[in-house]
Amino acid sequence: DAKTTQPPSMDCAEGRAANLPCNHSTISGNEYVYWYRQIHSQGPQYIIHGLKNNETNEMASLIITEDRKSSTLILPHATLRDTAVYYCIVRVGYGNKLVFGAGTILRVKS
Amino acid sequence: DAGVTQSPTHLIKTRGQQVTLRCSPKSGHDTVSWYQQALGQGPQFIFQYYEEEERQRGNFPDRFSGHQFPNYSSELNVNALLLGDSALYLCASSSPGQGYNEQFFGPGTRLTVL
Repeated sequence: DAKTTQPPSMDCAEGRAANLPCNHSTISGNEYVYWYRQIHSQGPQYIIHGLKNNETNEMASLIITEDRKSSTLILPHATLRDTAVYYCIVRVGYGNKLVFGAGTILRVKS
Repeated sequence: DAGVTQSPTHLIKTRGQQVTLRCSPKSGHDTVSWYQQALGQGPQFIFQYYEEEERQRGNFPDRFSGHQFPNYSSELNVNALLLGDSALYLCASSSPGQGYNEQFFGPGTRLTVL
């Protein structure tokens, strides 16, 4: 699985958009980009995934660059409850293991 | 739907002992994965079970073993416990209906080895 690079921490004002970057310059053509988050003392929670097109769901948007070497997770209106560790993961297909890095600690402040 | 459940919530053992952790997957899910999360680190994949067989394994010693039952629930066994086995153990389940894309995690079992 390709390796990802994320900033260790970010701050965001409540109500503003939170943009979390991820570099995955060695991603292969058949690897998907997944985002999970982990709120303190809970198990990780799936947010969104994509291959090469931008994706949006009720939680977030995922923007993948045309060369697929980087992506951005966007939380459109961050709330205090979005404070968590956000993990960017790349993996092949479905049913395979998730390889977590250190993630980005997002702190949403009022 | 109760989601993924794990038991016990917390566990304290001493070095050399053996421990069994349990996981019930989300309703309709047939694949269970186990992860170990040390303090301050991301989860590390231990192994995955499907159709009662271990399908994938991470870089963990044979002291870590598992089992999946016909009802898809699963157990993680760790023998000869070491201090370094102290961690949060997470179980995740997924289903073919979603192409196994989304893994649902349980709240974890906090294991402390003294």
